[in-house]
Amino acid sequence: NAGVTQTPKFRILKIGQSMTLQCTQDMNHNYMYWYRQDPGMGLKLIYYSVGAGITDKGEVPNGYNVSRSTTEDFPLRLELAAPSQTSVYFCASSPTGVGTGELFFGEGSRLTVL
Amino acid sequence: QKEVEQNSGPLSVPEGAIASLNCTYSDRGSQSFFWYRQYSGKSPELIMFIYSNGDKEDGRFTAQLNKASQYVSLLIRDSQPSDSATYLCAVIKAGNMLTFGGGTRLMVKP
Repeated sequence: NAGVTQTPKFRILKIGQSMTLQCTQDMNHNYMYWYRQDPGMGLKLIYYSVGAGITDKGEVPNGYNVSRSTTEDFPLRLELAAPSQTSVYFCASSPTGVGTGELFFGEGSRLTVL
Repeated sequence: QKEVEQNSGPLSVPEGAIASLNCTYSDRGSQSFFWYRQYSGKSPELIMFIYSNGDKEDGRFTAQLNKASQYVSLLIRDSQPSDSATYLCAVIKAGNMLTFGGGTRLMVKP
């Protein structure tokens, strides 16, 4: 079982470049989330989706965009990368939403912006 | 004031001892409380949840919740070196958003 798959695992960007972090899940979960985790910090919610075609902002959405055209895919777009976006990004999915805390995380994507 | 606060640690305990991890939260409207374990370089995994005041036990883990004091804790009995990880406290407040603390790094020494 693949679960939640994130690509790429590592990426170095120059300031001002753009890129897309891919996230795919094969569990038919409606709920999907993007979090970022800075060193020594907890996770902060960037964007989330409760189903195909529906997305909403989390705590720290500035500088990011998402789309959810299918149940499986939830890509995160970084426009005009800045050093402040250096972080580890986790995609997660859930069958029920965060109410049960049951989140299935991908392995993470480590992004460095120089 | 941070919404969910944890001592960053590291908390060092000898093998076989009880590890006590603490978390406070600021929103009195918070309803659900979770503990995640995160090994270095890995993604978080849910280990405990608690919704009501009191204690909840699951194997070597006990979660304790005191809503009046806005305090939730995790006790790990008979700590093992394999328990060495960062433990993240997370809270659902009004609005159905999961908010994480910064985590406490636990080191269990053989």
